[in-house]
Amino acid sequence: EAGVTQFPSHSVIEKGQTVTLRCDPISGHDNLYWYRRVMGKEIKFLLHFVKESKQDESGMPNNRFLAERTGGTYSTLKVQPAELEDSGVYFCASSQGVATGELFFGEGSRLTVL
Amino acid sequence: EDQVTQSPEALRLQEGESSSLNCSYTVSGLRGLFWYRQDPGKGPEFLFTLYSAGEEKEKERLKATLTKKESFLHITAPKPEDSATYLCAVHNQAGTALIFGKGTTLSVSS
Repeated sequence: EAGVTQFPSHSVIEKGQTVTLRCDPISGHDNLYWYRRVMGKEIKFLLHFVKESKQDESGMPNNRFLAERTGGTYSTLKVQPAELEDSGVYFCASSQGVATGELFFGEGSRLTVL
Repeated sequence: EDQVTQSPEALRLQEGESSSLNCSYTVSGLRGLFWYRQDPGKGPEFLFTLYSAGEEKEKERLKATLTKKESFLHITAPKPEDSATYLCAVHNQAGTALIFGKGTTLSVSS
């Protein structure tokens, strides 16, 4: 069974440019999450989808970040325009339920903004 | 504010030298405490869920315990392949998002 896959694994862009990260969750997992780890900090929650609906987007830093999950399958996270402080590793995770806390994480997309 | 603090930040052990990692938490009503393992360049991998004080979970050389204020991850007779960053997390108040600590990076040498 395929795990959570993320693309690209690493992206280097200039400040002001746009980047789109993609996540393919495990098949059948209705819950999809985005987390981010900035250098030296802990992993922080960004948002949570249940199928195609945003259940909780309280962790989204600002309106430069836009997440979508069309058709309840894969998800994209767009950063536009990117700023230096957006650099970090963006993790996607999926799960069948919510209460167990058993999330299946992808390997992450490392974003470097110059 | 819900918070998770892990100590130590880094731990070096000799193979076979048992030790414990600490995770202290401050939450309004614990809805679950979770341990994850993260290898370099990989995403976190789920290990355990603990729900109530006194609960214990085991997996190979790892044993997680929970009190009302903290959790411990005990590592018995570690091997080099146990080297990784161990992350502790709790559910937020809504129960939908995980609040992570910074992690403890464990290095086990043979």
